[in-house]
Formats: sequence, structure tokens, C-alpha cells
Amino acid sequence: AQKVTQAQTEISVVEKEDVTLDCVYETRDTTYYLFWYKQPPSGELVFLIRRNSFDEQNEISGRYSWNFQKSTSSFNFTITASQVVDSAVYFCALIQGNRDDKIIFGKGTRLHILP
Amino acid sequence: NAGVTQTPKFQVLKTGQSMTLQCAQDMNHEYMSWYRQDPGMGLRLIHYSVGAGITDQGEVPNGYNVSRSTTEDFPLRLLSAAPSQTSVYFCASKTGLQAFFGQGTRLTVV
Repeated sequence: AQKVTQAQTEISVVEKEDVTLDCVYETRDTTYYLFWYKQPPSGELVFLIRRNSFDEQNEISGRYSWNFQKSTSSFNFTITASQVVDSAVYFCALIQGNRDDKIIFGKGTRLHILP
Repeated sequence: NAGVTQTPKFQVLKTGQSMTLQCAQDMNHEYMSWYRQDPGMGLRLIHYSVGAGITDQGEVPNGYNVSRSTTEDFPLRLLSAAPSQTSVYFCASKTGLQAFFGQGTRLTVV
């Protein structure tokens, strides 16, 4: 069965600190896709990134970076030099390839960036 | 191009009342789904549809009905609302690996 675990329920850091959000996934498929979404206080879901299971290259986009490691079934998200605007709930999600199209979400991590 | 439109944005129901949450997309996506979001629980899949006339249950389907008579619309029905159905509901449509979410409906059942 597929599962996404975000063990950190809530994190608080002071502005400008770096912070890493953890995501561990379970799937039996060799083809799968991992996602991160941001949910700001306004409530909408904002897509951040998608990775497929065949591409383990880390990705950097501005202050955001993602570390995908198949050996540990993890897809962690790091925010460098955090800003107050980064305060949000962040969800990690999984789609198993070659099967149905369900998106399986983790329970989310609420991130507070303190000024 | 409106994307995914959910109505209403807010709703208060009394226990036992029925209502339909509307979801429409104008992107001709075959796949549509409904999630509910509760504190500490993330987004849980209620029902989904892979095309007109085809629906299936997700993780938490009890108390909800869906139908998919057209590609564009995927309404979610609560036949007899219960306080446990107080939640934020998201509709999503998907093409390939790109998902689009509605703005959410905050439902309170008193």
C-alpha cells in the first residue's frame, strides 16, 4: 500500500534560519511521482515541485531545494534563509505510476516563521 | 480559463440536512476527485472519477455520494449531514501528473 509520512506536525523557526521538512514515502511501484504543495493561510493549494522515481537529482529553485533519496524513501524539502511569507502548511504527496491516478497526501507540516 | 471552480466557499448546515458541493472544471480533464482536509489529518480522498460515468471510492467515502454525468462537473452530495463532516473540502482535476485544485469549501455542520 502507498503511504506518505510527514513526521513533523509543526515547526517554528526564526526568520532567516534554514529549515528542512521531512517526507518519507512507501510504495511498491518502481514508477512513482512525488510532490510538494504549499497551503498558505489563505487556504489554496500551491504546487511547488514534482519528481519522478527515475530522477534522483536534487533540485534547487531560489531559496527552495529538494533532496530525493530512493535509498531512504525520502523526499525532503529545505527552505534556506526563511522568510515570514514561507509560513504555511506544506504537504508531501505521492502518485503511483502505472496504476490509478490517486494522489496520496501526507498529513502536512505547519511551518511558522517568526520575525 | 477558470480552472477548477468550487461552490459555495462557505456553508453552514444543520445536522440531518442535505446539500451538494459543486465542482466544475473547464480544462476537459478526465480525472476529478474530492478531498476533505481536517486538522492534523492532511487531505484524505473521498471519491474520485476517471471519466464521465465512472466513479470510485477513496479513503473516506462514507456519508458522501458522487456522480459524473459530464466531463466538466463532479458534484459531492451529503445526504444527511453530520457534525463529523465539518471540514474543508477540495475538488481537484488532473491531467497526467498535473493537478489543479479548487479554492476549497469550508463546511460546518451544527
